[in-house]
Amino acid sequence: DTEVTQTPKHLVMGMTNKKSLKCEQHMGHRAMYWYKQKAKKPPELMFVYSYEKLSINESVPSRFSPECPNSSLLNLHLHALQPEDSALYLCASSPAGWGHYGYTFGSGTRLTVV
Amino acid sequence: KNEVEQSPQNLTAQEGEFITINCSYSVGISALHWLQQHPGGGIVSLFMLSSGKKKHGRLIATINIQEKHSSLHITASHPRDSAVYICAAEGTSGSRLTFGEGTQLTVNP
Repeated sequence: DTEVTQTPKHLVMGMTNKKSLKCEQHMGHRAMYWYKQKAKKPPELMFVYSYEKLSINESVPSRFSPECPNSSLLNLHLHALQPEDSALYLCASSPAGWGHYGYTFGSGTRLTVV
Repeated sequence: KNEVEQSPQNLTAQEGEFITINCSYSVGISALHWLQQHPGGGIVSLFMLSSGKKKHGRLIATINIQEKHSSLHITASHPRDSAVYICAAEGTSGSRLTFGEGTQLTVNP
């Protein structure tokens, strides 16, 4: 298995909803990443987990809450989002915290906040 | 000035043409990545370079560390190559990619 699987592919949520994005990989990668990408812009790093521990939080608002229950799974819990949070959310993984062996990206979850 | 700059921003080519996308960076790097993003959103990693040149099929990537410059070449371009190509610099401390703004490539039949 050489993929990063993200679910759901599309999500529409209201500003008062609570939802979660899921990312899974079975390549034995020990670093996992969440990126946010607005239309026609490059991805922006949100969080990095290395060996299941949060190593980087790019000053992301607390309405985004990451979780790494095990080395294969990464979640992003969403609560009280704003319309400007609508974006493509990408998950990626790499063999170690350095990415020197390359990154594998998922297909993304396209989130719309209404 | 962005730390990673790509050119051109947009590129339209006819099928079969040779294509070059350029990337210049101003930061110290441990590796330079070329990524491809199709309209559906998923990103595919094409190359990771720390020196020299790599080739995969019709794609060639080169890097000149002294000049802080990398190029992605596509030979015999095809409409299925139409996508956004993104250059990303990986810093020396790892775990962080600095992305260029991307090059939107359209290859017409």
